[in-house]
Amino acid sequence: SQTIHQWPATLVQPVGSPLSLECTVEGTSNPNLYWYRQAAGRGLQLLFYSVGIGQISSEVPQNLSASRPQDRQFILSSKKLLLSDSGFYLCAWSVSSGVTTNEKLFFGSGTQLSVL
Amino acid sequence: GNSVTQMEGPVTLSEEAFLTINCTYTATGYPSLFWYVQYPGEGLQLLLKATKADDKGSNKGFEATYRKETTSFHLEKGSVQVSDSAVYFCALAAGNKLTFGGGTRVLVKP
Repeated sequence: SQTIHQWPATLVQPVGSPLSLECTVEGTSNPNLYWYRQAAGRGLQLLFYSVGIGQISSEVPQNLSASRPQDRQFILSSKKLLLSDSGFYLCAWSVSSGVTTNEKLFFGSGTQLSVL
Repeated sequence: GNSVTQMEGPVTLSEEAFLTINCTYTATGYPSLFWYVQYPGEGLQLLLKATKADDKGSNKGFEATYRKETTSFHLEKGSVQVSDSAVYFCALAAGNKLTFGGGTRVLVKP
């Protein structure tokens, strides 16, 4: 069966420090991978998605970047965190169905990031 | 671009009350529509989905019908329980990504 691992679960970082959140998927190959952010009191915002190794699409301009060094690994990074980067970050995957995603997303358990 | 609009919460109900959460969307083409639920302290999980017009998704007593004419996908449950307290997200799938609404927090009181 497929599983998704996301860590760490919680993270407190000072402003200006770097960030690296990691997400890995097991039990499937060539998944679509996603990073979402859920800010306090707000909805879910798609940050990045990837349809293959080295292929990253950015949805919103921001202080963050994403990389996909391996087929089932998706990393969210920042060189210098801002206060506004605080939030709940969710990694997700879906079956790669070519043109259209009509399969459901499977979400990780999330990382609560607090930038102080 | 694609967008999803859902009613703002919080929605506070008594147990066994009827729940409706409105969701409308804007999209080109014919997207698939989803409702996801986030229970306290947990990540999101799929609740139900519909992939074409007039389809009805259902799960755990919840239902939603894909209405192309009104571009809506309202979530309903006839009798809620305390365990239904959660944040509910409406979403549409087009291309390789899901676009989510802002989420609606539902609180069911005993």
